[in-house]
Amino acid sequence: NFMLTQPHSVSESPGKTVTISCTRSSGSIASNYVQWYQQRPGSSPTTVIYEDNQRPSGVPDRFSGSIDSSSNSASLTISGLKTEDEADYYCQSYDSSIHWVFGGGTKLTVL
Amino acid sequence: QLQLQESGPGLVKPSETLSLTCTVSGGSISSSSYYWGWIRQPPGKGLEWIGSIYYSGSTYYNPSLKSRVTISVDTSKNQFSLKLSSVTAADTAVYYCVATLAEGSHWGQGTLVTVSS
Repeated sequence: NFMLTQPHSVSESPGKTVTISCTRSSGSIASNYVQWYQQRPGSSPTTVIYEDNQRPSGVPDRFSGSIDSSSNSASLTISGLKTEDEADYYCQSYDSSIHWVFGGGTKLTVL
Repeated sequence: QLQLQESGPGLVKPSETLSLTCTVSGGSISSSSYYWGWIRQPPGKGLEWIGSIYYSGSTYYNPSLKSRVTISVDTSKNQFSLKLSSVTAADTAVYYCVATLAEGSHWGQGTLVTVSS
């Protein structure tokens, strides 16, 4: 099996751009889709990116996802940061048996 | 719009079985467009996948929990359920039911289950 490693926390100012990484420990990041979930304090997670770079309807285009085979990682980029973006963000992928694997989560502070 | 609601006891004694139900509205539990699952989050910690069930009835479980977990569907009630046996304090968590479709996953609001005597 593999692990997904995220930075514990990131911070940035309103209006700026932040990128959160998610590094796969073994196997290719491109071999299984990556999803990103946002969890605001006291709320359940919501999908902000699915299938590496797709946005569900209703998610602003300030959110974008990508994968980089050279670093074997996925990234979530949020541009034009707003205070409402302050939340925990989790990446998630699958192993070959369709089991879900989560990253440890990244706390985004917008200050 | 698809909505999910977890229900079940908020307190379970050690060694007993945790049982939760997820009621689905706005979509059919029998649809091939979705698959269903459970995820948990211990207080102050990250997310842990418990398992998933497909419309075909196929189930997939987290290997670390597999010996204790059963996920099933009740099509007559448009519900799916989770049973986790032989619980300990380490199973204390918010439990979420999740529906996954082509456009990502929808999560229920979650329910806190505490394991304590």
